[in-house]
Amino acid sequence: DTAVSQTPKYLVTQMGNDKSIKCEQNLGHDTMYWYKQDSKKFLKIMFSYNNKELIINETVPNRFSPKSPDKAHLNLHINSLELGDSAVYFCASSPLAGGFGEQFFGPGTRLTVL
Amino acid sequence: AQSVTQLDSQVPVFEEAPVELRCNYSSSVSVYLFWYVQYPNQGLQLLLKYLSGSTLVKGINGFEAEFNKSQTSFHLRKPSVHISDTAEYFCAVSDSRNFNKFYFGSGTKLNVKP
Repeated sequence: DTAVSQTPKYLVTQMGNDKSIKCEQNLGHDTMYWYKQDSKKFLKIMFSYNNKELIINETVPNRFSPKSPDKAHLNLHINSLELGDSAVYFCASSPLAGGFGEQFFGPGTRLTVL
Repeated sequence: AQSVTQLDSQVPVFEEAPVELRCNYSSSVSVYLFWYVQYPNQGLQLLLKYLSGSTLVKGINGFEAEFNKSQTSFHLRKPSVHISDTAEYFCAVSDSRNFNKFYFGSGTKLNVKP
C-alpha cells in the first residue's frame, strides 16, 4: 500500500551507460515531480508533470528525459551517465497543481556512477 | 527569484530540551511555507504547512512553526525533543506565481543527544 514508490532503490553503474528510474503513485494525484538531492543534502526540483503534461523543466542537461505514460507514473531516463549525476533522486506527487497541496515523496533512488 | 535560507546546518541538542530551527525566505509575492523531515535513508515527510490564516501552525510530532511576514521567517520549534527526532529538516516555499515549484532550503541536521 505504498503511496509513492520508486525502483530501483539503489543503482550502481558505469560512466556512459543509460539508465532509468521508475516512479509510481497510487494516491490519485495529478501532479508528479523529480528532485535531485546532492551529497550536501541540497534538494532541487528537476521536472514536474501535471496529468502527463510537462509543466516544470528546470535547467537540467538534456541527457535527462522524463516520461509520463499516465498520470500515475513518471519515469526518469538518463543517457550517457556522468560522475556528477551521482545523487539521490526523489519522486514526489501532489493532489493539486499548486503549492496548496503537500508533496508526497518516494523513498528515493541512490544513483552511483563509477 | 525565490530563495530559502536555513542558517544552521547542524543543531545539537539534549533530549527533552527545546529546539528552534531557523528558516528565512525571500519573495516579493504571497508565499506558502512548508517544513519537511527526512529520516536516514528515507524520503521527505511533511511536518506542517502554512497556506493562510493563523500565523502559528501546528504539525505532527509536537512541532509548530510561526510565519512572520515582516521578518520573512518560518522558524520551526518543539518544546521538548526526543531521540527519535534526530533527522534532517527542510524548509520549503512556493508562491502564488508558480504553485508547483517548491524551493527547498539546504537542510538542518537535528542531532538529539541522550
